[in-house]
Amino acid sequence: QLQLHESGPGLVKPSETLSLTCTVSGGSINNNSYHWGWIRQSPGKGLEWIGSIYHGGSTYDSPSLKGRLTTSIDTSKNQFSLRLSSMTAADTAVYYCVGLSYYDSSGYYYFDYWGQGTLVTVSS
Amino acid sequence: EVVLTQSPVTLSLSPGERATLSCRASQSVGDSLGWYQQKPGQSPRLLIHDVSKRATGIPARFSGSGSGTDFTLTISSVEPEDFALYYCQQRTGWPRSYTFGQGTKLEI
Repeated sequence: QLQLHESGPGLVKPSETLSLTCTVSGGSINNNSYHWGWIRQSPGKGLEWIGSIYHGGSTYDSPSLKGRLTTSIDTSKNQFSLRLSSMTAADTAVYYCVGLSYYDSSGYYYFDYWGQGTLVTVSS
Repeated sequence: EVVLTQSPVTLSLSPGERATLSCRASQSVGDSLGWYQQKPGQSPRLLIHDVSKRATGIPARFSGSGSGTDFTLTISSVEPEDFALYYCQQRTGWPRSYTFGQGTKLEI
């Protein structure tokens, strides 16, 4: 059973860059059956997918972030990371790292594994 | 961008009743539709994938149906532990992206 755990700062100043890391245990981040990603949830709001990455380092991101997002993968540490630049108060949210499983029945991926989430507050 | 609209925003039921939650897409999403449950203070968990297939370990009282733009999550007989937030989610093929509905709160 995969387990995911986020780490990173809980407080970021406006205009700075957020860096978060997700450590995967219970399986290999190189497994072709998984993609990896980030989802955030603003206080009292719904879920917003931010971006995903998969083996080899290929990425796909939410168009709403307009190029602010960089995701990377470190297979030696079984980790993947997020960097979100030009942070504003609107980016205050709980950030979840997620593992997406591939389903043969459709060929689609779904968010099967979730970290516990980490609250990131943007404030000076 | 595909927009998912869930209704109702809040559904008030008693244990043992049938719950019907709706998710409508702004354009056809084919069979790329999932449902998630989120309890207070917890991470979401996958309930249904591919419109109607239960994820591993999900009780049979949860079922999904629909096609094209209109989808439904049904809980045949609500248990006390089912009171939570429910989100639908779809995947856009190209460029690949994911969107969620705004959620339905199932309350006692």
